[in-house]
Amino acid sequence: EIVLTQSPATLSLSPGERATLSCRASQSVSSYLAWYQQKPGQAPRLLIYDASNRATGIPARFSGSGSGTDFTLTISSLEPEDFAVYYCQQRSNWPPLVTFGPGTKVDIK
Amino acid sequence: QVQLQQWGAGLLKPSETLSLTCAVYGGSFSGYYWSWIRQPPGKGLEWIGEINHSGSTNYNPSLKSRVTISVDTSKNQFSLKLSSVTAADTAVYYCARSVLGWVATYSYYYYYMDVWGKGTTVTVSS
Repeated sequence: EIVLTQSPATLSLSPGERATLSCRASQSVSSYLAWYQQKPGQAPRLLIYDASNRATGIPARFSGSGSGTDFTLTISSLEPEDFAVYYCQQRSNWPPLVTFGPGTKVDIK
Repeated sequence: QVQLQQWGAGLLKPSETLSLTCAVYGGSFSGYYWSWIRQPPGKGLEWIGEINHSGSTNYNPSLKSRVTISVDTSKNQFSLKLSSVTAADTAVYYCARSVLGWVATYSYYYYYMDVWGKGTTVTVSS
């Protein structure tokens, strides 16, 4: 089973600052990693797929990078609506198993 | 625009069977996988399993013995049954559309969940 580790667990920043979130896989997932944003009481929302492609309607301040085992989600300048929990996710080939990282909470400093 | 609407019983007793259904509106039902994910209170996301329009399923091994996911293509709906529930199954349950494809160059699948239902809170309590 591929395990995803996210760091930091919590990131305390102010609006306008840059956020850098990390996701590390226990073995290579090539470039096939997704990122989701979840706000309290809401379903997760797809932000990034295939490590670096923004989903439909996602602002350009969100970007993803990485391949193999190390991935990064960057929010270039935090808006008030960006304070949320962010999860990375991958699907292993065999057995077919989808796993999520434990999440990084971005909160207001 | 694709929308997922989900429903099912929200309060169960231990040993009962959880049953949820998710309807797909506004888009194609074939060509995707359809997934169930859950989130215990205050915790992270756990994938339960998925099904495609042909009825091909994949389940999380940790739940496989208790889970059945089925599809009704005539109604563009898919359903989740989880048997012998305990308090540990208390969670918000989400349905989602999963995009899955094989990349031969890298011998790997691309996969992401691009449309989600709003979630159903299920509580297991005696």
